[in-house]
Amino acid sequence: ETGVTQTPRHLVMGMTNKKSLKCEQHLGHNAMYWYKQSAKKPLELMFVYNFKEQTENNSVPSRFSPECPNSSHLFLHLHTLQPEDSALYLCASSQDPSWETQYFGPGTRLLVL
Amino acid sequence: EDQVTQSPEALRLQEGESSSLNCSYTVSGLRGLFWYRQDPGKGPEFLFTLYSAGEEKEKERLKATLTKKESFLHITAPKPEDSATYLCAVQAATSGTYKYIFGTGTRLKVLA
Repeated sequence: ETGVTQTPRHLVMGMTNKKSLKCEQHLGHNAMYWYKQSAKKPLELMFVYNFKEQTENNSVPSRFSPECPNSSHLFLHLHTLQPEDSALYLCASSQDPSWETQYFGPGTRLLVL
Repeated sequence: EDQVTQSPEALRLQEGESSSLNCSYTVSGLRGLFWYRQDPGKGPEFLFTLYSAGEEKEKERLKATLTKKESFLHITAPKPEDSATYLCAVQAATSGTYKYIFGTGTRLKVLA
């Protein structure tokens, strides 16, 4: 595998379910990101990790819980989501968060019923 | 307030009909401006980075330019496979922190 991979690619969950999204990067980067992309809205940065440490949390509700066990893997744990949380969730990585462009994964299309 | 605005929101071109997409920005401490291409159901794919006014980058039928207030993505003689959403983003540095600000994109459709 090369680049940034995300699993699952599609997910349907009820509001009471707990699920996790997984992201893995094979680029040797040190920074990883979670974004939310909703229709006709700009990409919304959710979390930033640099060398496994969370450096940014853009006022994301606590029903979204990130985890970064190492600089190659990033998870987004989901629980008691709302229908308005339905969106494309994108993972990205970069060499570090201060200067280089980000490389994106294909995303997980999430539908909350 | 830092802001990125892309126009037009949507654009339909005939194959071979050249045009330009616009990305205007108001940010403090610009560190870079980025163009991405996004196909439906996929993540954005990096195209270009521009760092300073006057800089230009080219890739096949695409050319990106940068001024102090805006960037243009010129598409020369487009083909149907150029149909996608084109996203612009800026990286800004404020008080020692860095942030990415994305525009809402331009949906391009090239007709055969």
